[in-house]
Amino acid sequence: NAGVMQNPRHLVRRRGQEARLRCSPMKGHSHVYWYRQLPEEGLKFMVYLQKENIIDESGMPKERFSAEFPKEGPSILRIQQVVRGDSAAYFCASSPGTDTYNEQFFGPGTRLTVL
Amino acid sequence: AQSVTQLDSQVPVFEEAPVELRCNYSSSVSVYLFWYVQYPNQGLQLLLKYLSGSTLVESINGFEAEFNKSQTSFHLRKPSVHISDTAEYFCAVSDRGDYKLSFGAGTTVTVRA
Repeated sequence: NAGVMQNPRHLVRRRGQEARLRCSPMKGHSHVYWYRQLPEEGLKFMVYLQKENIIDESGMPKERFSAEFPKEGPSILRIQQVVRGDSAAYFCASSPGTDTYNEQFFGPGTRLTVL
Repeated sequence: AQSVTQLDSQVPVFEEAPVELRCNYSSSVSVYLFWYVQYPNQGLQLLLKYLSGSTLVESINGFEAEFNKSQTSFHLRKPSVHISDTAEYFCAVSDRGDYKLSFGAGTTVTVRA
């Protein structure tokens, strides 16, 4: 029973390039969350998605960042025209449903370095 | 949104000694409280959680945490640590019924023989 998968684990980009981070939720999970961890800080919520729907993107920067969770395939966090301040660890989590409490299961993260 | 403070960024400790990791959060409204552990090169794993009921919660590997509403704290303790407990530990909080987790900056525990 594979856990949450993220790839790549490490990603290096030059300023101005695009970064694509992928997240495959646990089997049977239809809810995906993305968090960002800046150096020396805790994880910060970015966006919550269900299949083909963005439910809450209140934590996403207004520009250059987008996320999707298509009907088929992994969830994608896309960062256009990356800047040095985007260097961080990006974690994806998934959960099964809509109960009052849904445990979030985390992936190993993608560490993005912008040169 | 909640603000979570983990007062210690690094905690070195000898094997079989006790350890306490401190966590305070900002709001006294109804909350869910969590401790996650991250071993090197792995994802965050839920260590224990408080949702309701007894304020003392325990994990299967000997950790315990106590919810103190008046002090808005959820400190993590283990009476005797092992080398394998070396990891980074994150405290997290969500408002009751909310899916958004707010995390502390993490505490790195290094257990030495």
